[in-house]
Amino acid sequence: RKEVEQDPGPFNVPEGATVAFNCTYSNSASQSFFWYRQDCRKEPKLLMSVYSSGNEDGRFTAQLNRASQYISLLIRDSKLSDSATYLCVVPGSSNTGKLIFGQGTTLQVK
Amino acid sequence: DTAVSQTPKYLVTQMGNDKSIKCEQNLGHDTMYWYKQDSKKFLKIMFSYNNKELIINETVPNRFSPKSPDKAHLNLHINSLELGDSAVYFCASSQAGTATNEKLFFGSGTQLSVL
Repeated sequence: RKEVEQDPGPFNVPEGATVAFNCTYSNSASQSFFWYRQDCRKEPKLLMSVYSSGNEDGRFTAQLNRASQYISLLIRDSKLSDSATYLCVVPGSSNTGKLIFGQGTTLQVK
Repeated sequence: DTAVSQTPKYLVTQMGNDKSIKCEQNLGHDTMYWYKQDSKKFLKIMFSYNNKELIINETVPNRFSPKSPDKAHLNLHINSLELGDSAVYFCASSQAGTATNEKLFFGSGTQLSVL
């Protein structure tokens, strides 16, 4: 299994839809996970951190499934402004303080 | 009042040239990083410095040399540029010495095009 893997999409959804992305990881010892958002030609920005089973912030919910080694990001009531690439980020397998970024999943809300 | 600023934003140059990208953060963070994002959008760490000390040095050609004159600055110098160096380079910072549970703050990126 790759250190982190995401479906690149794109996911094309209408406004108001609920959409979910999954991200699988290989390091079973990982304790903290992140979702970053990257707009086209912009820098990544932290969207949510996931330290235990999950985290919720408004329309966004991140969940962690340690048994199956994946994290998910659920976006409810999608807005046009949610269109972006969502990057899954996990700690590297070696204890070097290195974060591994997924390829990202592109969401287009129309 | 940009937290992490890097210059230049765009850099177009010929193969074989030497170029530098500068990065500064005004957040008082201890750790700074250089990431490379290639055409397939993978964001990969190149280097990290904690309080001017090299912490992470990935398998990067030694044509790439980071320099940290103080903990607020981390510059990237690239010698003998090659076509494959074309990418977007992001500087980032985090508060503590390890980023596995720390938020990363990114600069706006430098689009490097080697012709």
